[in-house]
Amino acid sequence: GAGVSQSPRYKVAKRGQDVALRCDPISGHVSLFWYQQALGQGPEFLTYFQNEAQLDKSGLPSDRFFAERPEGSVSTLKIQRTQQEDSAVYLCASSLRRFPDTDTQYFGPGTRLTVL
Amino acid sequence: AQKVTQAQTEISVVEKEDVTLDCVYETRDTTYYLFWYKQPPSGELVFLIRRNSFDEQNEISGRYSWNFQKSTSSFNFTITASQVVDSAVYFCALRGTTSGTYKYIFGTGTRLKVLA
Repeated sequence: GAGVSQSPRYKVAKRGQDVALRCDPISGHVSLFWYQQALGQGPEFLTYFQNEAQLDKSGLPSDRFFAERPEGSVSTLKIQRTQQEDSAVYLCASSLRRFPDTDTQYFGPGTRLTVL
Repeated sequence: AQKVTQAQTEISVVEKEDVTLDCVYETRDTTYYLFWYKQPPSGELVFLIRRNSFDEQNEISGRYSWNFQKSTSSFNFTITASQVVDSAVYFCALRGTTSGTYKYIFGTGTRLKVLA
């Protein structure tokens, strides 16, 4: 079956531009996570959704970062006024059940964001 | 605070050698979950195993085995008779169960190179 998909796979933005990154989780998955992975580092938690509810946004690095999942399926991570330090791979993951009973997280291929 | 340490940044082995990847974690939660993920060159993280804090039984899956020791806060991963296809970055991760916490904490990863 279809896995988690993310688009675009690559995004180049000029400093100060706004970007929107999309995640299509596996159909029926309740939980959705966003992570930021800098080069040579492990994924760092950004935010968590249970259906359409954003239950944890403690990992968002600044108020320039905003995420939504309005219908409980597709999610969008928006970064306003991008800065060079935002350059990273943004990973989306989904799992079938709600936290804390979440089981296997299935990760998407990520969106590599480069801010010039 | 929760923390995962993977002290080995990069390991190189020759095919058919056994290799152990170390993971040390810190948490104050009495109930927690530990994970290993594989990130091949394609970039998509692949789930390998999940263990909860009450189950210290070692697990074997084919050429993979995991050693969980609460006394030393370690969750090490061994690949027996390594193969070139095992070349990837391996991440250890921790999830606590403190109320309000949805974070998965990842280590910085160990890059494994298996040489033919």
